[in-house]
Amino acid sequence: SQTIHQWPATLVQPVGSPLSLECTVEGTSNPNLYWYRQAAGRGLQLLFYSVGIGQISSEVPQNLSASRPQDRQFILSSKKLLLSDSGFYLCAWSVLVTNNEQFFGPGTRLTVL
Amino acid sequence: SQQGEEDPQALSIQEGENATMNCSYKTSINNLQWYRQNSGRGLVHLILIRSNEREKHSGRLRVTLDTSKKSSSLLITASRAADTASYFCATMEYGNKLVFGAGTILRVKS
Repeated sequence: SQTIHQWPATLVQPVGSPLSLECTVEGTSNPNLYWYRQAAGRGLQLLFYSVGIGQISSEVPQNLSASRPQDRQFILSSKKLLLSDSGFYLCAWSVLVTNNEQFFGPGTRLTVL
Repeated sequence: SQQGEEDPQALSIQEGENATMNCSYKTSINNLQWYRQNSGRGLVHLILIRSNEREKHSGRLRVTLDTSKKSSSLLITASRAADTASYFCATMEYGNKLVFGAGTILRVKS
């Protein structure tokens, strides 16, 4: 069966520090991968998605970047965090064939102080 | 950008009652999906309805889709305290991306 992992679960970082959040998927090959951010009490905002190794599409201009160094690994990064980067970050995957449901990881709660 | 807009924003009902949540969207879609999120957790997929379908059932869940009105509803029958969560609709246009609404917070009181 497929599983998706995210770590860390929670993170408190000072403004200006770097960030690296990791997401890995097991039990499937060639997944679509997604990074979302959820502000408190709000819906999800798509940040990045990837249809293959090294292929990253950015949805919104921001202080963050994403990379996909391996088929089932998706990394969200920042060189210098801003206060506005605080939020709940969710990774998700879907089968490469379109129009299927997405499967979400447990999320990372990021607080930038 | 937000496409799906849920209504109401919050709903509080007694255990055993039915809960109805609505979602409206703006563009043509391939399918519409409903997800559930327990507090502080990831989202769980509940049900997917395709643009050529009008109604779908899964256990105590019933979803309808009216593409002429660009709206969908999620009905949870015989609600339980464990149904307390946030519920999101998400629309998939013709591509790989889902666009989520802001969600409805459902509280089921026992």
